[in-house]
Amino acid sequence: DTEVTQTPKHLVMGMTNKKSLKCEQHMGHRAMYWYKQKAKKPPELMFVYSYEKLSINESVPSRFSPECPNSSLLNLHLHALQPEDSALYLCASSHPAREGHYTFGSGTRLTVV
Amino acid sequence: DAKTTQPTSMDCAEGRAANLPCNHSTISGNEYVYWYRQIHSQGPQYIIHGLKNNETNEMASLIITEDRKSSTLILPHATLRDTAVYYCIVRGYAGGTSYGKLTFGQGTILTVHP
Repeated sequence: DTEVTQTPKHLVMGMTNKKSLKCEQHMGHRAMYWYKQKAKKPPELMFVYSYEKLSINESVPSRFSPECPNSSLLNLHLHALQPEDSALYLCASSHPAREGHYTFGSGTRLTVV
Repeated sequence: DAKTTQPTSMDCAEGRAANLPCNHSTISGNEYVYWYRQIHSQGPQYIIHGLKNNETNEMASLIITEDRKSSTLILPHATLRDTAVYYCIVRGYAGGTSYGKLTFGQGTILTVHP
């Protein structure tokens, strides 16, 4: 298995909803990442998990709450989002021996209404 | 990590080589050059990386100048499926037990024409 799987592929949520994005990999990677990408912009790093511990938070608002239950799974919990949070959310992972070589998922297209 | 400068867009004819330049004049000795690409509506895809020697894999070649201040990604025989945004990223090595950041710049939009 050489993929990062993200679910759902598309999500529409209201500003008062709570939802979660899921990311899974079975490549033995020990770092996992969340990126946010707005239209026609490059991906922006949100969070880095290293060995299941949060190591980098790029000053992301608390309405985004990451969770890494085990080395294969990464979640992003969403609560009270704003329409400007609508974006493509990308998950990635990397192996300890090849730390700059990320494998990305196809993303979750989130629309906040 | 050092900043990179890339042209905003480039065109290439199908079947010809695509040469994508990147300037990274402030690169330091332990920083690697990475190339990724992102095809529309997909996640970024790793292409190749290097430190100071030229590198080649099944997707592309990476030529790094001797002073390491610039590099060129070469797609030897571009196809329509190579149309994408290409990102040149400079990143330090964190040591394998901690993980740093991969920071994307604006990239180059490569359009391959029939």
